[in-house]
Amino acid sequence: GENVEQHPSTLSVQEGDSAVIKCTYSDSASNYFPWYKQELGKGPQLIIDIRSNVGEKKDQRIAVTLNKTAKHFSLHITETQPEDSAVYFCALWGGAQKLVFGQGTRLTINP
Amino acid sequence: NAGVTQTPKFQVLKTGQSMTLQCAQDMNHEYMSWYRQDPGMGLRLIHYSVGAGITDQGEVPNGYNVSRSTTEDFPLRLLSAAPSQTSVYFCASSPQGSEQYFGPGTRLTVT
Repeated sequence: GENVEQHPSTLSVQEGDSAVIKCTYSDSASNYFPWYKQELGKGPQLIIDIRSNVGEKKDQRIAVTLNKTAKHFSLHITETQPEDSAVYFCALWGGAQKLVFGQGTRLTINP
Repeated sequence: NAGVTQTPKFQVLKTGQSMTLQCAQDMNHEYMSWYRQDPGMGLRLIHYSVGAGITDQGEVPNGYNVSRSTTEDFPLRLLSAAPSQTSVYFCASSPQGSEQYFGPGTRLTVT
């Protein structure tokens, strides 16, 4: 079945620097790759997604890249701000018609 | 739109008790799902529904029942609560399955 590995589990960056989180997967039938942000005490919030026919998508300071050959996709946050501190989850949707989540990355932005 | 709503926000149960976690959405989404979130394990799918009258099991269905009598509601029933069911429970809805929107969660403690 589908499996997704997310790294790193924790990430600490200085405010203004960039942060990158990477996920790898095994199921070549996966065709939709969302990223969720979860703030303390809240539900996950969809922040950006990409479909398998696109290599990169950008929305202001966040971007997602997809390499289908190598089976990995990444979240890039530029010019990080304190409000970017949260737990980020990658996920994928594939042949089993279910959303499978990575283990999460706790991102801390240091002022 | 209220989006996805969940009640209660917090619940404490004794081992062996039963209860129902409520989930409702007002977006006319066909697909609804329940996840549990445990530290270090991301979100794991419990049950899901692709439309009224249709439900199916996810990754961790044991000890839980669901029903989908209307498009709007998708309650999760704990039949006989166990300490292993202490977790945070999230309900999500989606127009087609892949792009899912989450509720605020229910934090359940079983003693």
